[in-house]
Amino acid sequence: DAGVIQSPRHEVTEMGQEVTLRCKPISGHNSLFWYRQTMMRGLELLIYFNNNVPIDDSGMPEDRFSAKMPNASFSTLKIQPSEPRDSAVYFCASSYSTSSDTQYFGPGTRLTVL
Amino acid sequence: QQQVKQSPQSLIVQKGGISIINCAYENTAFDYFPWYQQFPGKGPALLIAIRPDVSEKKEGRFTISFNKSAKQFSLHIMDSQPGDSATYFCAVKETSGSRLTFGEGTQLTVNP
Repeated sequence: DAGVIQSPRHEVTEMGQEVTLRCKPISGHNSLFWYRQTMMRGLELLIYFNNNVPIDDSGMPEDRFSAKMPNASFSTLKIQPSEPRDSAVYFCASSYSTSSDTQYFGPGTRLTVL
Repeated sequence: QQQVKQSPQSLIVQKGGISIINCAYENTAFDYFPWYQQFPGKGPALLIAIRPDVSEKKEGRFTISFNKSAKQFSLHIMDSQPGDSATYFCAVKETSGSRLTFGEGTQLTVNP
């Protein structure tokens, strides 16, 4: 199994630009999570989907952030416009929620907003 | 509000020693208590987890001790090895859903 796949692995952009992060969950998993990791705030949940439906988006910082899951094998996290304070490592994780609470994390996308 | 408090922030242990990391939580509506291990440049990976109906779980050198009345749980790493050097996160999962709330993390260094 390839595990959770995220792209790009690194992204450097300028303030005001749109950024799109991508995630492919483990095949057969029906829950998908987006996390952000920073030194100041640690590892925090932004949003999670169950069967492609957003269940809890209370961690999404503001309207500049949006997430979609058009099908069971793909999700995006978009930031528009990006700001320097969005610089962080963004992780995607997936789980087979009906029988397991284990979340499998991807390698992350390191985002730098200049 | 911070639902999970983890300590210490960093820990240095000699090879062969015991590493102990503690977490305390503030809400009783949790039903799953995992520990994740993260190496630099990698995503967190599940190390071991416990549910509130047992007080201890052991997997190899790793043990979780759970104290429901005190709302605390801890990770014990026996015979610590340099390869165990990583950041460890405790987490709690709400009974009503799949949300994990993580502790602040503990950076463990095991000296050879």
